[in-house]
Amino acid sequence: GAVVSQHPSWVICKSGTSVKIECRSLDFQATTMFWYRQFPKQSLMLMATSNEGSKATYEQGVEKDKFLINHASLTLSTLTVTSAHPEDSSFYICSASSANTGELFFGEGSRLTVL
Amino acid sequence: SQELEQSPQSLIVQEGKNLTINCTSSKTLYGLYWYKQKYGEGLIFLMMLQKGGEEKSHEKITAKLDEKKQQSSLHITASQPSHAGIYLCGADIAGANNLFFGTGTRLTVIP
Repeated sequence: GAVVSQHPSWVICKSGTSVKIECRSLDFQATTMFWYRQFPKQSLMLMATSNEGSKATYEQGVEKDKFLINHASLTLSTLTVTSAHPEDSSFYICSASSANTGELFFGEGSRLTVL
Repeated sequence: SQELEQSPQSLIVQEGKNLTINCTSSKTLYGLYWYKQKYGEGLIFLMMLQKGGEEKSHEKITAKLDEKKQQSSLHITASQPSHAGIYLCGADIAGANNLFFGTGTRLTVIP
């Protein structure tokens, strides 16, 4: 089946530093990728929708200057958390929409801990 | 997101019992996805429903989409401890492949 790979799976960083998370569709082309975050015991929250070759669309309340999203190719989207703070610690998950079928496939998630 | 509401929020059942989880939208559904999640892990895709009246089954899990009611139900027959987890519905409401998620239903199956 289709696979979406996220890297890194977990990362610990100091407050004020930037962290980049990659989301790759390994065996299909994804015109659209989605980034979510999840706080403990809460549902996933959509952060932004990323379309290949264009600017990402951010959900209300998500700071686009803080969460930089780049979707440079049909198989790769990156989320960069800039100037990370402890409150940014969360579980970030990406999903990719197959260009052929429209089905969504999810990555395994990246756990970010900001000290 | 308030566009999708799931009920119940939590459910505790005895092993072997049947159960149903509902997902209701305030707007027209263009596609409805059911996922299962164990906390901290990636979502597991269960089923996708697109047409009104559509019904799909996977092992002991059946999902239906009632387009007129803007509602989908997930039914588990003869539940097992392995069914425990958080069940999430996701929907394409805007028709532009942008998903919204429900609040999730936490299922506990007691052996």
